[in-house]
Amino acid sequence: QVQLQESGPGLVQPSQTLSLICTVSGGSISSGSYYWSWIRQPAGKGLEWIGRIYSSGSTNYNPSLKSRVTMSVDTSKNQFSLKLTSVTAADAAIYYCARILIPSGHAFDIWGQGTMVTVSS
Amino acid sequence: SYELTQPPSVSVSPGQTASISCSGDKLGDKYVCWYQQKPGQSPVMVIYQDTKRPSGIPERFSGSNSGNTATLTISGTQAMDEADYYCQAWDSSTAIFGGGTKLTVL
Repeated sequence: QVQLQESGPGLVQPSQTLSLICTVSGGSISSGSYYWSWIRQPAGKGLEWIGRIYSSGSTNYNPSLKSRVTMSVDTSKNQFSLKLTSVTAADAAIYYCARILIPSGHAFDIWGQGTMVTVSS
Repeated sequence: SYELTQPPSVSVSPGQTASISCSGDKLGDKYVCWYQQKPGQSPVMVIYQDTKRPSGIPERFSGSNSGNTATLTISGTQAMDEADYYCQAWDSSTAIFGGGTKLTVL
């Protein structure tokens, strides 16, 4: 049973960089059938896609966040990560990592439990 | 940029059929997924590739997609189905989520 677990600081200062890691257990991040993704959800609001990464390191980002987002993958640790620069209060949200199953029309089939990030000095 | 539009809320009586719509330009040309999110929980995929149900999702959940509208249908709605539902599609390698629909089972 594949599981995803987000980790990282729950509090980030304005203008600083938000850094999160997603650890994949129960399966290999290097499988060719998946992308790996980050999605966020501000309190009381809807889901916003941040980006996705393939095990090769190939990425696609949300155009609205592209200038501030970097995703990377560490296959040796079975992890992928998110960096979001120059954060503001608008970046406060629950951040989810998720698996994208390519053969199923690129559906987000497995989600992590989410980690809450607060932006405050 | 591409947008998916959902009604903010839908109400249904227990045992009745609930329908949640998701509209977007030529949406029928894309695959649509639906996710259920209960308070304090992560989203769960309930429909993928327009009509397919993942293992473990009850048969009362079904989906369709044609023209500019995709629909999630819940037959014989139960109290446990009360949740937020999000549609999602891909446009030019970008994932798009609808704004979400709160389903209330009265």
